[in-house]
Amino acid sequence: GNSVTQMEGPVTLSEEAFLTINCTYTATGYPSLFWYVQYPGEGLQLLLKATKADDKGSNKGFEATYRKETTSFHLEKGSVQVSDSAVYFCALLGAGSYQLTFGKGTKLSVIP
Amino acid sequence: DVKVTQSSRYLVKRTGEKVFLECVQDMDHENMFWYRQDPGLGLRLIYFSYDVKMKEKGDIPEGYSVSREKKERFSLILESASTNQTSMYLCASSLSFRETQYFGPGTRLLVL
Repeated sequence: GNSVTQMEGPVTLSEEAFLTINCTYTATGYPSLFWYVQYPGEGLQLLLKATKADDKGSNKGFEATYRKETTSFHLEKGSVQVSDSAVYFCALLGAGSYQLTFGKGTKLSVIP
Repeated sequence: DVKVTQSSRYLVKRTGEKVFLECVQDMDHENMFWYRQDPGLGLRLIYFSYDVKMKEKGDIPEGYSVSREKKERFSLILESASTNQTSMYLCASSLSFRETQYFGPGTRLLVL
């Protein structure tokens, strides 16, 4: 079956530091890949997505590239802000599937 | 923008009560989903619906039922609430199965 593995948190960074949250997946065929963000007390918001190999999703300074050869979709941001403190979820939608498969989430805390 | 709303942000119920969680989307989406989110377990799919009156079980349907009488509304029902159903419940909708799922703000349910 499909699965998503993302780095365990929590991750604590200083403001303006570089962020990488690793995500790797197992799936048959060509899944679509997503990053969702959950701010404290809120639901999930779509951050970015990529639907085919070598696509780069980007939004609000965050980027992730769909790497089929390494089955990865790592999230990066060059300079984090306190307002980026949240839980980040990597997810995949399998080819021909209705069901999103989520990683367990990575909590990011950014300190001034 | 897609808007998914959930009837309550916080809910406290007693063991054995019948509980209704309501979800409404305003974008004429075909598909609607109910997830629960628990620490360390991530998001797990309870039920989904791909059309009015149509529903399918997800990974953890036991103890839950759903109703979709109108396209925009998807209800999750706990027939007899139990303490192990204390959780965060998230509703989502998508235009079709291959499209992005958009989430509501969540309902945090406490069963005493």
